[in-house]
Amino acid sequence: GQSLEQPSEVTAVEGAIVQINCTYQTSGFYGLSWYQQHDGGAPTFLSYNALDGLEETGRFSSFLSRSDSYGYLLLQELQMKDSASYFCAVQGGKLIFGQGTELSVKP
Amino acid sequence: NAGVMQNPRHLVRRRGQEARLRCSPMKGHSHVYWYRQLPEEGLKFMVYLQKENIIDESGMPKERFSAEFPKEGPSILRIQQVVRGDSAAYFCASSPSDTDTQYFGPGTRLTVL
Repeated sequence: GQSLEQPSEVTAVEGAIVQINCTYQTSGFYGLSWYQQHDGGAPTFLSYNALDGLEETGRFSSFLSRSDSYGYLLLQELQMKDSASYFCAVQGGKLIFGQGTELSVKP
Repeated sequence: NAGVMQNPRHLVRRRGQEARLRCSPMKGHSHVYWYRQLPEEGLKFMVYLQKENIIDESGMPKERFSAEFPKEGPSILRIQQVVRGDSAAYFCASSPSDTDTQYFGPGTRLTVL
């Protein structure tokens, strides 16, 4: 079967750095994507890793290790507006999503 | 370039009625995906379509649910004889190919009374 594991919730303070881990078990793997969702709204694409290594996009970075079936999303200089749900998703044609990590950023 | 559009944004149906959800992909995108999200859960894949073809419907319930993406017009997700368990947010996504990033619409919130 296909499954992804990520922590259910994370709390951090403004200005801090937080890492959200994701491990996966799947077939037909093209890459690992990360999406942000505010209050049940449209999931917004953040980052995609097809190859091993780190991808950096502004305050957000994403890492992938295909040999370990593991990735993470790194959020730096946290802001209150970063409070949201974050989903990792395996891409193989369709997207297979994890259950999501609820990030709460405190002042 | 307009994003993925879905309508209606909110839909209320009584048990036994039909629900039709529409999705217009981004311009230039010929791949459409439908996902369902229950409260406090992740998104679950339902079906993947290209123009006039269903590519993967492995996530679709076997009964009452159908999807199409005609040559002209939006993709339609149709739920017949709705039940309370169908209440959820239904999201559509589109991409230019099956390996490209998928971009999501705002979703349709279906409530079955």
